[in-house]
Amino acid sequence: EPEVTQTPSHQVTQMGQEVILRCVPISNHLYFYWYRQILGQKVEFLVSFYNNEISEKSEIFDDQFSVERPDGSNFTLKIRSTKLEDSAMYFCASSVLAGVMNEQYFGPGTRLTVT
Amino acid sequence: SQQGEEDPQALSIQEGENATMNCSYKTSINNLQWYRQNSGRGLVHLILIRSNEREKHSGRLRVTLDTSKKSSSLLITASRAADTASYFCATAVNTDKLIFGTGTRLQVFP
Repeated sequence: EPEVTQTPSHQVTQMGQEVILRCVPISNHLYFYWYRQILGQKVEFLVSFYNNEISEKSEIFDDQFSVERPDGSNFTLKIRSTKLEDSAMYFCASSVLAGVMNEQYFGPGTRLTVT
Repeated sequence: SQQGEEDPQALSIQEGENATMNCSYKTSINNLQWYRQNSGRGLVHLILIRSNEREKHSGRLRVTLDTSKKSSSLLITASRAADTASYFCATAVNTDKLIFGTGTRLQVFP
C-alpha cells in the first residue's frame, strides 16, 4: 500500500541553524500539507500546497518557514533559523482530492530537536 | 469548547469490550476525520465522514456524525490490545486545513 515517507526520522540541530525536512507524498496525490505536534500538545496545521503554490498557511508559518516541491516527488519544509520552540514532531500529509473528500494521509513524522 | 474536543481524555477497557470516543466541534464542517496515533508515531487515517453523512463503518469501526449537535463518535467493537493508541478527530471547516482535537488515550488490557 502506498504511503507517505519522511526523512530524517530524527533531526537534532542547534538554535539558529537551518533545517530541511523532507517528504515524499503518495505518488498520485496533488495536495500536500505540513503539520506539527509539540510534545504533549495537539497536532497543528502549518501549511497547504497545491499546484506549486501555498494554498493556506497558519500564523505559525512565519517568514522563517518555507516549502518547496523541488522535483516531481519531494516536498520539503525549510526552517531558516531554528528556535528552541521549533522543537516538535513535524508531519507531512498528502491527499488526492480537495474539499469534502479530502482524506489526508500522514507520514511517520520527523522529530526535530533544537538545542 | 474548542473545535475538536474529545471525550473522554483517557479510556481503559479489557480486550473484547467496545470502546466509544466522542468528539465535539464548534463550527459547520465539510468533513470530519478520525486518526489513530501510536505513542510517538505517525497518524494513521481511519475514516472520513462527510457533513451530509450520518454513519459510516469500516471493519470494527463505526463512526457517527450529528451535525445538529456538532458531535461525532467513534466506536471500536471487540477491542484488541493492538488498538491501544491515541485517537483524534480532525475537522475540515471551509478549507482543507484539518483542525485536530485533543485526543482520547485508549488502553486495551489483554
